[in-house]
Amino acid sequence: KQEVTQIPAALSVPEGENLVLNCSFTDSAIYNLQWFRQDPGKGLTSLLLIQSSQREQTSGRLNASLDKSSGRSTLYIAASQPGDSATYLCAVNSGNTPLVFGKGTRLSVIA
Amino acid sequence: EADIYQTPRYLVIGTGKKITLECSQTMGHDKMYWYQQDPGMELHLIHYSYGVNSTEKGDLSSESTVSRIRTEHFPLTLESARPSHTSQYLCASSVGNPTGDRETQYFGPGTRLLVL
Repeated sequence: KQEVTQIPAALSVPEGENLVLNCSFTDSAIYNLQWFRQDPGKGLTSLLLIQSSQREQTSGRLNASLDKSSGRSTLYIAASQPGDSATYLCAVNSGNTPLVFGKGTRLSVIA
Repeated sequence: EADIYQTPRYLVIGTGKKITLECSQTMGHDKMYWYQQDPGMELHLIHYSYGVNSTEKGDLSSESTVSRIRTEHFPLTLESARPSHTSQYLCASSVGNPTGDRETQYFGPGTRLLVL
């Protein structure tokens, strides 16, 4: 059974720092990996989707990488801002089955 | 921006009442999902559907039921609400590739339910 782990559970950084969020999964036979952002009391917003054949995806200050063979992904946020404060979730798709989510990393960017 | 809607956004109701949480999407997505999430906690999949007249239970045992009579509509019903049902309920949809490849999942804004 696929399991997704996100480390750290919470992270607090000063504004302007570059940071890395980690995601690992136990079964490397995935089709996609998706990173989401969730603000308190809100739904999830998709940030990036990496297909299994890809190594990375970029959107603005965000860069997500995927090492499928080792079961790892990272989300890199450059020049962090207070508006980046949110919970970031990683999820994997292993075929025609629902996404399996991690528990998320709660990020606080301090001005 | 994804077009997926949930109503009501907030609901306060007494124990024993029947409630239906509405979810609709205008993207023609085949796959739809319901998640339950307590504040600050992880997401739990409670129901999903891969098309009309197709529904499945998720990982978390739930006393709710769902139906999928139309592609765009996936309501969730609680026959008799209890305080333990207090939570946030999130609806999501995705396009429905047969292999699940390249499927971005879109979420609605959620319904926050309080059962007194």
